[in-house]
Amino acid sequence: EPEVTQTPSHQVTQMGQEVILRCVPISNHLYFYWYRQILGQKVEFLVSFYNNEISEKSEIFDDQFSVERPDGSNFTLKIRSTKLEDSAMYFCASSPGTNTEAFFGQGTRLTVV
Amino acid sequence: QKEVEQNSGPLSVPEGAIASLNCTYSDRGSQSFFWYRQYSGKSPELIMFIYSNGDKEDGRFTAQLNKASQYVSLLIRDSQPSDSATYLCAVTGSARQLTFGSGTQLTVLP
Repeated sequence: EPEVTQTPSHQVTQMGQEVILRCVPISNHLYFYWYRQILGQKVEFLVSFYNNEISEKSEIFDDQFSVERPDGSNFTLKIRSTKLEDSAMYFCASSPGTNTEAFFGQGTRLTVV
Repeated sequence: QKEVEQNSGPLSVPEGAIASLNCTYSDRGSQSFFWYRQYSGKSPELIMFIYSNGDKEDGRFTAQLNKASQYVSLLIRDSQPSDSATYLCAVTGSARQLTFGSGTQLTVLP
């Protein structure tokens, strides 16, 4: 069964460093998303990506964040100059169409120390 | 501000009983409604989605949608201990992204 895959599963980084979280969405899906979940809190939307550009972004997704689809399969989230409060689970998701079901990867646990 | 509200629980039901999970949403423009299950430390796993008013059944799960009341529910029949998890309600509207509730923690007691 097709699935969204994310790497790494866990990343520890020092405050101020840059991190890149990687995702391979399901191959025939058109919409890609990043969400995050701080421990004990809601799953929060960060950004959506369609047709090689950002289609929506939340207030959380400020200049510290960027997304890229460098080739036909990978979808990345870059966090520049990480802060302690960026510590969270980051989930990539993809969906085949608009307002259709989204499937989530297993997540990357980011710990900023 | 689009809000999705759920009782945080915990909700405890005995094995074999029906678990009823509820969700309300604030945005009348919401179009699609989803239930995800999340085990501790894991990612959300899609259980069901519903687009139209009424009931939708899939195995032991039934989703119910009432757009006039802005209410979505999930019934789990013949609850099993393996159903113990946090159940997340999520909606989409004119924007494609999911807005999640805080989740209801369900415990099925053997």
